[in-house]
Amino acid sequence: DTAVSQTPKYLVTQMGNDKSIKCEQNLGHDTMYWYKQDSKKFLKIMFSYNNKELIINETVPNRFSPKSPDKAHLNLHINSLELGDSAVYFCASSRRGSAGELFFGEGSRLTVL
Amino acid sequence: AQSVTQLGSHVSVSEGALVLLRCNYSSSVPPYLFWYVQYPNQGLQLLLKYTSAATLVKGINGFEAEFKKSETSFHLTKPSAHMSDAAEYFCAVSDPNNNNDMRFGAGTRLTVKP
Repeated sequence: DTAVSQTPKYLVTQMGNDKSIKCEQNLGHDTMYWYKQDSKKFLKIMFSYNNKELIINETVPNRFSPKSPDKAHLNLHINSLELGDSAVYFCASSRRGSAGELFFGEGSRLTVL
Repeated sequence: AQSVTQLGSHVSVSEGALVLLRCNYSSSVPPYLFWYVQYPNQGLQLLLKYTSAATLVKGINGFEAEFKKSETSFHLTKPSAHMSDAAEYFCAVSDPNNNNDMRFGAGTRLTVKP
């Protein structure tokens, strides 16, 4: 049973389209995150939610909108996709009091043509 | 704000040789420090973490790291490299008072030659 699961794993789409990536964790964690990994493997935090409340919102274009319907789910919706959005997006979760140790999903590779 | 710098984007060792991956941190408070490993087409998984207890931390797969405050370093070592250690390694730092905000280094790709 996968602890942090993301769908879809691969996404190929045209510029200007809107797409969503879903994430679910079955670890009972309070906090969930979205990270973006670029082609040089650099990992950048985008958003963090704690019990459905947004607590970190880095300098990310407002075309990106996270939604957390409950503490086990954190989805990422992207409007008007651009070439520069091509990357691997990782969902992660952590438990309060765990020193912030992150559990990652396998990633969703987004390619914008 | 916390940050980490990984020295060397690519390290190549022979099988059986010592692995040394370097990480230096910057933090205004005593930090929590982590090493994660990423195998191809997978997510990151935790190797080990330092949370202000013992300065020498042992992790999975024979890796260990030593926290050196005087050098602001947290280098990762393994005495004898195995082919299966080939992966991308990330150092990360968080603030114990706000450990929802973890910052990663740029990563070091480890290649192991037969």
